[in-house]
Amino acid sequence: EIVLTQSPATLSLSPGERATLSCRASQSVSSYLAWYQQKPGQAPRLLIYDASNRATGTPARFSGSGSGTDFTLTISSLEPEDFAVYYCQQRGNWPPWTFGQGTKVEIK
Amino acid sequence: QVQLQESGPGLVKPSETLSLTCTVSGGSFSSYHWSWVRQSAVKGLEWIGRIYTTGSTNYNPSLKSRVTMSIDTSNNQFSLNLSSVTAADTAVYYCTRARLALAGLFDSWGQGILVTVSS
Repeated sequence: EIVLTQSPATLSLSPGERATLSCRASQSVSSYLAWYQQKPGQAPRLLIYDASNRATGTPARFSGSGSGTDFTLTISSLEPEDFAVYYCQQRGNWPPWTFGQGTKVEIK
Repeated sequence: QVQLQESGPGLVKPSETLSLTCTVSGGSFSSYHWSWVRQSAVKGLEWIGRIYTTGSTNYNPSLKSRVTMSIDTSNNQFSLNLSSVTAADTAVYYCTRARLALAGLFDSWGQGILVTVSS
């Protein structure tokens, strides 16, 4: 099973700042890495798929990069609605498809 | 705009079977495969299994011995049965959708249903 390790666990930033989130896979998942955003009381929402492709409706301030085992989600300038928990998920090696443990982006 | 809605009991006794149904509306049913994902404070997000409209299934190896999924294409519904539950199965259960060409990419989710395992 592929283990995804996200860092940091919590990121404390102010609106307008740049956020950089990391996801590391225990073995290569090629480019089959997605990012989801989850707000309290809501289901996760797909943001980025296959490492760098924005899903429908994802704002351009969100970007993804990486391949193999190291991936990054960048939010170029945080908006108030971006404070949430972010999960990475791999679909490159299964079963099972697996998720990271999440990074919480909180207001500083 | 597709909508997914989970339904079922919110409380299940230990050793019994958890049974949930997901009803899909507003979109194509046959162009996707359908999965269950659960979320708990201890284990985080965990993929449980998927089913095609043909009825073909794949399960998470860690749960395979206890999971059964089924599908009712005439009513756009699919279901999850998880047997011999324990407190560790307490979680929010989500039904999700993935395109056939993008297997394992969950582009739509239900709102989730909290299932508590307790006597």
